[in-house]
Amino acid sequence: TQLLEQSPQFLSIQEGENLTVYCNSSSVFSSLQWYRQEPGEGPVLLVTVVTGGEVKKLKRLTFQFGDARKDSSLHITAAQTGDTGLYLCAGPFQGAQKLVFGQGTRLTINP
Amino acid sequence: DTAVSQTPKYLVTQMGNDKSIKCEQNLGHDTMYWYKQDSKKFLKIMFSYNNKELIINETVPNRFSPKSPDKAHLNLHINSLELGDSAVYFCASRPGTTYNSPLHFGNGTRLTVT
Repeated sequence: TQLLEQSPQFLSIQEGENLTVYCNSSSVFSSLQWYRQEPGEGPVLLVTVVTGGEVKKLKRLTFQFGDARKDSSLHITAAQTGDTGLYLCAGPFQGAQKLVFGQGTRLTINP
Repeated sequence: DTAVSQTPKYLVTQMGNDKSIKCEQNLGHDTMYWYKQDSKKFLKIMFSYNNKELIINETVPNRFSPKSPDKAHLNLHINSLELGDSAVYFCASRPGTTYNSPLHFGNGTRLTVT
């Protein structure tokens, strides 16, 4: 059983479409982080959400932290081929010394 | 360039061998980690060191031994390699262990055991 469940695990859409991916837990997190990983590279931090209900925008990417701080979503508007990658959510666990990850959403944007 | 760098990038070896992966960060961070990413892309924490002291040791076989000679380096030595050890191993560092402190990852070492 994973602490953080991401859905969908795979998503393939056409350039220009909108999409939303989810990160859910039965536990409350003090914060959640979103990372993007490209092939052959390590994950890179996109954003950290801290307050329940918080919305953060990064160009065409919109991140939301659930009111109860148990879930988060990432919405991409007008997806581009450069958005292709593995999107991972992560949250602090056991006194924040550990960051635990969801299993990721593999996103493919087709031209 | 400020970064987390790990070597080698690729490591192909036979079962039973012993190998090491090196990691260095020049970000001035106190905390360093080893994560294992399996074929399904799941990232699982293995170890964490804070200022050369081991603070997290997950249920990892004792064939895996981390070593931190100073707070900028965290190496991983693996004895008696097994087929199931094949994975991508990521080193990461963090400026602290507060709840919103992000991880900075290296580019990974792809280990293939044949």
